[in-house]
Amino acid sequence: ETGVTQTPRHLVMGMTNKKSLKCEQHLGHNAMYWYKQSAKKPLELMFVYNFKEQTENNSVPSRFSPECPNSSHLFLHLHTLQPEDSALYLCASSHVGAGGYEQFFGPGTRLTVL
Amino acid sequence: DQQVKQNSPSLSVQEGRISILNCDYTNSMFDYFLWYKKYPAEGPTFLISISSIKDKNEDGRFTVFLNKSAKHLSLHIVPSQPGDSAVYFCAASETGNQFYFGTGTSLTVIP
Repeated sequence: ETGVTQTPRHLVMGMTNKKSLKCEQHLGHNAMYWYKQSAKKPLELMFVYNFKEQTENNSVPSRFSPECPNSSHLFLHLHTLQPEDSALYLCASSHVGAGGYEQFFGPGTRLTVL
Repeated sequence: DQQVKQNSPSLSVQEGRISILNCDYTNSMFDYFLWYKKYPAEGPTFLISISSIKDKNEDGRFTVFLNKSAKHLSLHIVPSQPGDSAVYFCAASETGNQFYFGTGTSLTVIP
């Protein structure tokens, strides 16, 4: 595997379900990100992890819970979501401190909440 | 309030001609800018970047121009090819960690 991978690619869940999204980066980066992309809206940054420490949480509801066990893996745990949470969830990684700030994205998980 | 805006949701260009995608921002503290390209069912792919110390950066057919006084950047693709048809996002950051994205411009290159 190369780059940034995300599983599952598609997820349909009910409002009472608990599920998790997984992201893995194979680029040796030290920062990882979760973004949400809703229709007709810009990409919204949800969480940032630098060196496994969460450094940003952009007022995301507590029904979204991130976990970063190491610098290569990032999870987004989902619990009692709402239909308006249906969106494309993108994971990204970057190497902070190397002079460049480019973020590399995974293919995303298309989430539908019924 | 959106800090990065792409006011043209779509653009059509003839193959071989120049494509110009525009992006405006409001925060004068932004000092690093990225352009991404996105195909359907894929994540955004990094294209080209520019920092505020430059006003131009070129990579093959892609050139990004930055006008700091106007808080405006643009991506030029020349010559445009059908494979360039995608959604293009600009993004800006002050810290290099938190990027603000525009809503994207869908480019169609007509053969």
